[in-house]
Amino acid sequence: AQSVSQHNHHVILSEAASLELGCNYSYGGTVNLFWYVQYPGQHLQLLLKYFSGDPLVKGIKGFEAEFIKSKFSFNLRKPSVQWSDTAEYFCAVNARSNYQLIWGAGTKLIIKP
Amino acid sequence: GAGVSQSPSNKVTEKGKDVELRCDPISGHTALYWYRQSLGQGLEFLIYFQGNSAPDKSGLPSDRFSAERTGGSVSTLTIQRTQQEDSAVYLCASSFGGGTEAFFGQGTRLTVV
Repeated sequence: AQSVSQHNHHVILSEAASLELGCNYSYGGTVNLFWYVQYPGQHLQLLLKYFSGDPLVKGIKGFEAEFIKSKFSFNLRKPSVQWSDTAEYFCAVNARSNYQLIWGAGTKLIIKP
Repeated sequence: GAGVSQSPSNKVTEKGKDVELRCDPISGHTALYWYRQSLGQGLEFLIYFQGNSAPDKSGLPSDRFSAERTGGSVSTLTIQRTQQEDSAVYLCASSFGGGTEAFFGQGTRLTVV
């Protein structure tokens, strides 16, 4: 069965620190990859997505993610975080052969001002 | 509407009662998903509607759960004889089609007491 693993459930960083959140999936076929973010009290919204092409994807608010097919990974990065990045981040994978988004358990990110 | 709308935003119900949760997807979106988000957990797929096709109900946890989508638009998730373990945030999302970017509503927080 397909699964998505997010390595860290809680991450605490200071402002201006660099961020990398891990995401690994288990599926051997072609996939679409997503990172969603949920700010406190708000709904889930798309941060970035990868369907094909350049494996380095740039999203909103300075976030980027790199798809490494050989490692089944789609890690999220930001060079310098801000207090406003405090949120929960979810990685999701969708196999091209079906529609179902498979979700990681999420990573709660807290940025200390 | 401009986004996915869910109602009510909060629902407290007594164990054993039935509840109905409503989702208004984005106009023109043919795909509609229901998910459940429990505390500290990722998103659990419940059901998927795509156009006029038969829905995929494979994620519904028991026969107490059912959902319908009228006229290819509004959807209602019904939970009969609610149990305390049904307490969670129920999220609705819609998209232009399976595998594409999903847009989420604010969710309905269900508390069974």
